[in-house]
Amino acid sequence: NAGVMQNPRHLVRRRGQEARLRCSPMKGHSHVYWYRQLPEEGLKFMVYLQKENIIDESGMPKERFSAEFPKEGPSILRIQQVVRGDSAAYFCASSPLERYTGELFFGEGSRLTVL
Amino acid sequence: GESVGLHLPTLSVQEGDNSIINCAYSNSASDYFIWYKQESGKGPQFIIDIRSNMDKRQGQRVTVLLNKTVKHLSLQIAATQPGDSAVYFCAENPGGTSYGKLTFGQGTILTVHP
Repeated sequence: NAGVMQNPRHLVRRRGQEARLRCSPMKGHSHVYWYRQLPEEGLKFMVYLQKENIIDESGMPKERFSAEFPKEGPSILRIQQVVRGDSAAYFCASSPLERYTGELFFGEGSRLTVL
Repeated sequence: GESVGLHLPTLSVQEGDNSIINCAYSNSASDYFIWYKQESGKGPQFIIDIRSNMDKRQGQRVTVLLNKTVKHLSLQIAATQPGDSAVYFCAENPGGTSYGKLTFGQGTILTVHP
């Protein structure tokens, strides 16, 4: 049973370019979360999505960041016009249920470096 | 160890010793508290969680203690092994949402010496 799959694992972008990070949840999971981790910090919640719906985007920066989880295919976190401060590890997690009753299953992360 | 500035707290132990990692939380309305282990270059891995109506929960080689009076959470690892070396994060599921919107702590670096 494959876990949460994220790609790319490493991404390098120049300032002003776009970054697209993809996440395929565990089989049977329809709830996806994106978290961001800056160096030497804990993870910070960004957004919670269900299929075709954004449920909670309270942790997303107001500009340049967007997320989707289409009916078919992986969830996408998109960062437009990247800046150096966007350099971080971005983790996706999935859950089979809406209600939190235990663990979230995290992927290995996508590490974005902005030059 | 103590944290200074932006550096993570650290704990160094010898193989076979017991380890205790501490965490303070701020939201008294949180209903779940979770410990995650993160190895270098990897995603967080669930270790154990505890509901707010409990004060102790045991797993395999790990015990989590919750003291709501002082808002303190601890993770005890028995017979620590080199493979336990990682960064350990506490997280809480704040009251007000029923889904997995977790608030993570700063993290503690555990180093186990053979």
